Amino acid sequence: KQEVTQIPAALSVPEGENLVLNCSFTDSAIYNLQWFRQDPGKGLTSLLLIQSSQREQTSGRLNASLDKSSGRSTLYIAASQPGDSATYLCAVLGYDYKLSFGAGTTVTVRA
Amino acid sequence: GAVVSQHPSRVICKSGTSVKIECRSLDFQATTMFWYRQFPKQSLMLMATSNEGSKATYEQGVEKDKFLINHASLTLSTLTVTSAHPEDSSFYICSAEPRGAHNEQFFGPGTRLTVL
Repeated sequence: KQEVTQIPAALSVPEGENLVLNCSFTDSAIYNLQWFRQDPGKGLTSLLLIQSSQREQTSGRLNASLDKSSGRSTLYIAASQPGDSATYLCAVLGYDYKLSFGAGTTVTVRA
Repeated sequence: GAVVSQHPSRVICKSGTSVKIECRSLDFQATTMFWYRQFPKQSLMLMATSNEGSKATYEQGVEKDKFLINHASLTLSTLTVTSAHPEDSSFYICSAEPRGAHNEQFFGPGTRLTVL
């Protein structure tokens, strides 16, 4: 059974600092890994999707890396802003086409 | 493109009643839809996989007679929580997999269910 772990569970940084969020998974038999953003009481917003054959994906200030063999992914958010405050979820798509989610990292960016 | 809606966004009901939640893919056809449940400060847990025209597949520990799923068309799946109890209070999120594309799901905005 796939287990997805996200560390840290919570993170508070001053505005302008870079954010580093970690995700690890136990089974490397995945099609892809996806990072989502979730605001309180809201649904999921997809940020980046990395196919299993890829090493990283970038979108604006966001960069995500994937090391499938070691079961790790890292989401980097450069020059954080208060609007980046949210919970960030990592999810992997297994060969059964089911997504397994981590518990998330709750980020607070202080102005 | 790839928009998924859920209705209602929020519902409050009395214990013992049934509640239906709709999940619609607005601009694509979805042969497969997924239902997730999220308790406060926890992650999403897959409840069931809904395939158009066939019975849903439930994850271990999810009661199929309590959480009725119907996927009658390529754009609509419904989840009915029967005889709801306060412990069923949760955030329910659906996702839809575009027809022919197995490696990506698009998520709805979620439904907050509160059972009194």
